[in-house]
Amino acid sequence: AAGVIQSPRHLIKEKRETATLKCYPIPRHDTVYWYQQGPGQDPQFLISFYEKMQSDKGSIPDRFSAQQFSDYHSELNMSSLELGDSALYFCASSIIAATDTQYFGPGTRLTVL
Amino acid sequence: KQEVTQIPAALSVPEGENLVLNCSFTDSAIYNLQWFRQDPGKGLTSLLLIQSSQREQTSGRLNASLDKSSGRSTLYIAASQPGDSATYLCAVQNGGSTLGRLYFGRGTQLTVWP
Repeated sequence: AAGVIQSPRHLIKEKRETATLKCYPIPRHDTVYWYQQGPGQDPQFLISFYEKMQSDKGSIPDRFSAQQFSDYHSELNMSSLELGDSALYFCASSIIAATDTQYFGPGTRLTVL
Repeated sequence: KQEVTQIPAALSVPEGENLVLNCSFTDSAIYNLQWFRQDPGKGLTSLLLIQSSQREQTSGRLNASLDKSSGRSTLYIAASQPGDSATYLCAVQNGGSTLGRLYFGRGTQLTVWP
């Protein structure tokens, strides 16, 4: 069965650089979620999209922005990177907003030097 | 704000033991609760989802129960195996304006030794 695809899997950036993370949800899933998991931490919700519209926003820094495109893939754009942005970034998708199982991708490991 | 707590933080058991992982949450107005497994540096694999109207769910050697009124859930693993070694995360979905987002606990790191 198709799963959530994230790219790249690993990314190394310098401070103050920009990074773009991509997420391709499971086919026919209409909702995408982004989570950030710092070292030894629990995943923290960043933002979500339902049918290409932002549906919820968590503790996402103003330096980050995201969108969902017409083909339902989503991109998380991160600018002016800081050392503290080093984390695993997960994308998850579900077929019905809110009440269905969220299926997670393998994550993108971002390292900021 | 929803807070999720998992106890114990770590657990080490010999193969074959039955074990229980605990999860508690502060706001009982949840839509559902999900248990995940995470291997080191890897993604999250959904194990079980319990809707707020349900009391338990079973999948193979796993059984999850939910007591919504008391804000508790348990994950029971029968006849543990070394391959069960991983971190187990509990997450809840609230209703209302934050519908959809998951609130996670810190997880229980399980080691099953042969």
